[in-house]
Amino acid sequence: NAGVTQTPKFRVLKTGQSMTLLCAQDMNHEYMYWYRQDPGMGLRLIHYSVGEGTTAKGEVPDGYNVSRLKKQNFLLGLESAAPSQTSVYFCASSYGLAGGTLAKNIQYFGAGTRLSVL
Amino acid sequence: QQQVKQSPQSLIVQKGGISIINCAYENTAFDYFPWYQQFPGKGPALLIAIRPDVSEKKEGRFTISFNKSAKQFSLHIMDSQPGDSATYFCAAAGTSGSRLTFGEGTQLTVNP
Repeated sequence: NAGVTQTPKFRVLKTGQSMTLLCAQDMNHEYMYWYRQDPGMGLRLIHYSVGEGTTAKGEVPDGYNVSRLKKQNFLLGLESAAPSQTSVYFCASSYGLAGGTLAKNIQYFGAGTRLSVL
Repeated sequence: QQQVKQSPQSLIVQKGGISIINCAYENTAFDYFPWYQQFPGKGPALLIAIRPDVSEKKEGRFTISFNKSAKQFSLHIMDSQPGDSATYFCAAAGTSGSRLTFGEGTQLTVNP
């Protein structure tokens, strides 16, 4: 029962460096999400995907890009990291509308990636 | 613009006491109100959820109270235990999709 798996768990970057965070889910979910969590600000949606090959902007998309080439994977990229991107990043997935009224909203989260940008 | 406001930011309760966390929302199109629980070093996990057609939902020691006219909902944890110490997030979703809007989070500490 892997659920949602995020790699890596920790990463330290220097300003200007790039990196990709990988999210994989084995629940055949249609929808996937990337959030960042900062103290006192809750979980803020960066980008999301409603199916393979689709992506959409969330609440705080600037400085990030995403790709969903396979249904089970959702990648989050930082092209030129900035100290303001120091955060804990969470990936989540859900059935989406295909899950029906009750299940569509339930999001399952990974364990997070702690990123520090120096 | 925070569409879901959560309070308090932190809460300390003695073992056996009642923990109460409140949330208020603005968007009347929201129709699903979950609470997520997050332990240190882990991702959030769904704890309990309610839809606006009922005013209260109870699962064990956890109860959601919902006030549609006031656009408020709250989480009550009865007989709070040290194992309940975690960060709690309220959230809301609308009829148009499955995106969740989260509150700021409440760090709950239950002292033994």
